[in-house]
Amino acid sequence: LAKTTQPISMDSYEGQEVNITCSHNNIATNDYITWYQQFPSQGPRFIIQGYKTKVTNEVASLFIPADRKSSTLSLPRVSLSDTAVYYCLVGDLRPSTLTFGKGTMLLVSP
Amino acid sequence: GAGVSQTPSNKVTEKGKYVELRCDPISGHTALYWYRQSLGQGPEFLIYFQGTGAADDSGLPNDRFFAVRPEGSVSTLKIQRTERGDSAVYLCASSKGTGNTEAFFGQGTRLTVV
Repeated sequence: LAKTTQPISMDSYEGQEVNITCSHNNIATNDYITWYQQFPSQGPRFIIQGYKTKVTNEVASLFIPADRKSSTLSLPRVSLSDTAVYYCLVGDLRPSTLTFGKGTMLLVSP
Repeated sequence: GAGVSQTPSNKVTEKGKYVELRCDPISGHTALYWYRQSLGQGPEFLIYFQGTGAADDSGLPNDRFFAVRPEGSVSTLKIQRTERGDSAVYLCASSKGTGNTEAFFGQGTRLTVV
């Protein structure tokens, strides 16, 4: 199973763009990259998923370079409510292959 | 329903007792998942149902853990002879079907074994 590495924590201020990078050197051909967000006392919430290049939705953008060995979740103009843990997952879409690591704790300050 | 519902939200039990945790998935979602999350860790996969059958139970830690989904909707996670190490938040998620990883999670059941 592809292993992911992401920073334990990040700090930002309201209105800034935040980029969280995830390394997945052993990503396989059939693997997709998925990001989830989790607030305290809640279950994770799906943010975005991609295979290559760039994916954008109303919440975030996901940048994946050609070698797919890393990916970057970009959150535009964060607010206090974006304070949460962000998980990067890599897997071939079978549920058992989607492993949550410890995630990145993003703290947004005023 | 509007979202995935898990009951109870909190459960305290004594070591050695049996517990059942319930999950009501989003209506129409055929795939249902159970995860376990310990403090400071990410969710850990336990079991996945496609319809009524357990398609993948490779994450169940031992034979004290068992889950059912008899009618392809509501699921129950059953833990026998609970141990203090079973204390965690148990999360349930559902999705539309195989290969769709936009899983919708419930709020979880916080299980405390004393």
